[in-house]
Amino acid sequence: SQTIHQWPATLVQPVGSPLSLECTVEGTSNPNLYWYRQAAGRGLQLLFYSVGIGQISSEVPQNLSASRPQDRQFILSSKKLLLSDSGFYLCAWRDRRRQETQYFGPGTRLLVL
Amino acid sequence: GEDVEQSLFLSVREGDSSVINCTYTDSSSTYLYWYKQEPGAGLQLLTYIFSNMDMKQDQRLTVLLNKKDKHLSLRIADTQTGDSAIYFCAEEDTGRRALTFGSGTRLQVQP
Repeated sequence: SQTIHQWPATLVQPVGSPLSLECTVEGTSNPNLYWYRQAAGRGLQLLFYSVGIGQISSEVPQNLSASRPQDRQFILSSKKLLLSDSGFYLCAWRDRRRQETQYFGPGTRLLVL
Repeated sequence: GEDVEQSLFLSVREGDSSVINCTYTDSSSTYLYWYKQEPGAGLQLLTYIFSNMDMKQDQRLTVLLNKKDKHLSLRIADTQTGDSAIYFCAEEDTGRRALTFGSGTRLQVQP
């Protein structure tokens, strides 16, 4: 069966510090991968998606970047965090052979102070 | 562009049926989804419906799709306290194969 992991679960970082959030998927190969952000009390906003290693599409101009160094690994990064980067970050994957389903990880709660 | 709208809050009594409504704008969406988010947790896929269907039933869940009005609803029969959560409606962006979400409906189930 497939599983998706995210870490850390919770992170408190000062403004201006770097960020690295990791997402890994097990039990599948060549998935589509996604990073979403959920601001407090709001819906989800798509940040990045990837259809393969090294292939990243950015949805919104922002302070964040993403990388996919391996087939089942997706990393969200920032060189200098802003207060507005606080939120709940969710990674998701989608099986290319079963396009109708998209599954989410447990999320990382980021608080920038 | 895509825009998905939901009412913010719904309160029901345990044992009653809950109906959560959603409107969307992208008529080319292939699939429409309902996700559930419990406090502090990620999103759990509840159910989805293919755009050429009108209705899908899965145990206590019934999804109704009115494609003409771009209206999607989720009915939960015999609502339980464990159903208390935020429910997100989402439509598929066929170009990016990503999802566009509504802001979520908070369902409160009172005993």
